[in-house]
Amino acid sequence: GAVVSQHPSRVICKSGTSVKIECRSLDFQATTMFWYRQFPKQSLMLMATSNEGSKATYEQGVEKDKFLINHASLTLSTLTVTSAHPEDSSFYICSAGGTNTEAFFGQGTRLTVV
Amino acid sequence: GNSVTQMEGPVTLSEEAFLTINCTYTATGYPSLFWYVQYPGEGLQLLLKATKADDKGSNKGFEATYRKETTSFHLEKGSVQVSDSAVYFCALSEGQAGTALIFGKGTTLSVSS
Repeated sequence: GAVVSQHPSRVICKSGTSVKIECRSLDFQATTMFWYRQFPKQSLMLMATSNEGSKATYEQGVEKDKFLINHASLTLSTLTVTSAHPEDSSFYICSAGGTNTEAFFGQGTRLTVV
Repeated sequence: GNSVTQMEGPVTLSEEAFLTINCTYTATGYPSLFWYVQYPGEGLQLLLKATKADDKGSNKGFEATYRKETTSFHLEKGSVQVSDSAVYFCALSEGQAGTALIFGKGTTLSVSS
């Protein structure tokens, strides 16, 4: 199946700094990518839809100025957590491609803000 | 709005036991339904899917049948193995191609030998 690569898999950063997470589609072009966040023992919640060449669409309650999404090419979307705080610590995962029969997920990024 | 409800975990079973993880959904239309599995330290992998009512998805001994009348998509396996220990997510997708998924909270399965 299609491959989506997410990097880094784990990152620890200091409070107040910014962290960038990359999501790449390795063997296909993705005009749309999705970013999810997973809290411990909770479901994956959709944060935003990343559209190549245009602004991302954010879900209600997600701060667009805090979670910057850039989808500059058909194979790469980035999520930047700006001025990170401990409450931003979470598991972030992207998905790309697919149809209404399947979506392809990255490995996820465990962010810890200390 | 659309939603997915999964049974609470964790589920702890002995090897070769029968597994059922309940999943029900709420949707305005006719969604596609999925089960994803997340092994420790890995991303989500599609386990099985069903795109219309009465379809049965199956893979690796797991099965789930799309029941429109009960809005359910319960996951079953006749004989679990230690290697099945993971977190299982029920999800739905509705609408155009490439639509985002709506997930249940996930159910942790732990199988001991």
